[in-house]
Amino acid sequence: DSGVTQTPKHLITATGQRVTLRCSPRSGDLSVYWYQQSLDQGLQFLIQYYNGEERAKGNILERFSAQQFPDLHSELNLSSLELGDSALYFCASSVSGVSTDTQYFGPGTRLTVL
Amino acid sequence: GENVEQHPSTLSVQEGDSAVIKCTYSDSASNYFPWYKQELGKRPQLIIDIRSNVGEKKDQRIAVTLNKTAKHFSLHITETQPEDSAVYFCAVDDRDDKIIFGKGTRLHILP
Repeated sequence: DSGVTQTPKHLITATGQRVTLRCSPRSGDLSVYWYQQSLDQGLQFLIQYYNGEERAKGNILERFSAQQFPDLHSELNLSSLELGDSALYFCASSVSGVSTDTQYFGPGTRLTVL
Repeated sequence: GENVEQHPSTLSVQEGDSAVIKCTYSDSASNYFPWYKQELGKRPQLIIDIRSNVGEKKDQRIAVTLNKTAKHFSLHITETQPEDSAVYFCAVDDRDDKIIFGKGTRLHILP
């Protein structure tokens, strides 16, 4: 167990809908990262937050947004969902958010868009 | 931006044999090279990392080598065991202080 929690574990929804994925980092970690992993694909970096502020942005679609709250938990919002958004979404956390920090991954949320 | 290539995409080795996975990167400024292991249905976990001031690092049956001149690094697993079956991802830090992952190598250990 990495200490990073994600809810829900599974999510099934329809095209056009909006969902929110939640992540709680390890105790003491200030930075949160979001990744998308599609079937047979690597880990696509979406976005990173550090202590409530956006630090880095990857290939995140405009339909997706995220935020990190004062208690350091983070939410990833996915809207106008398409079939191609079906994937495993991982959250990771690290102590200070620099690239040389070890990232600890949560168990992931599996999103299925029908 | 940084580009990370990982080969092979799939690798099958006999139990007890060695496995080698290779990655190349494009940005000579990169300094940090971690490797993550993802077992089926599980989360990725860091197994070993190396920094640019070191050429090789070993942890029991796992080793990583780095050639900064050629911009490539490799993961070596010796005396492979069934529990080594997983997907392995290399990663590299980029100029924006992000980690860029390779596409992964699915390693099968054959009995």
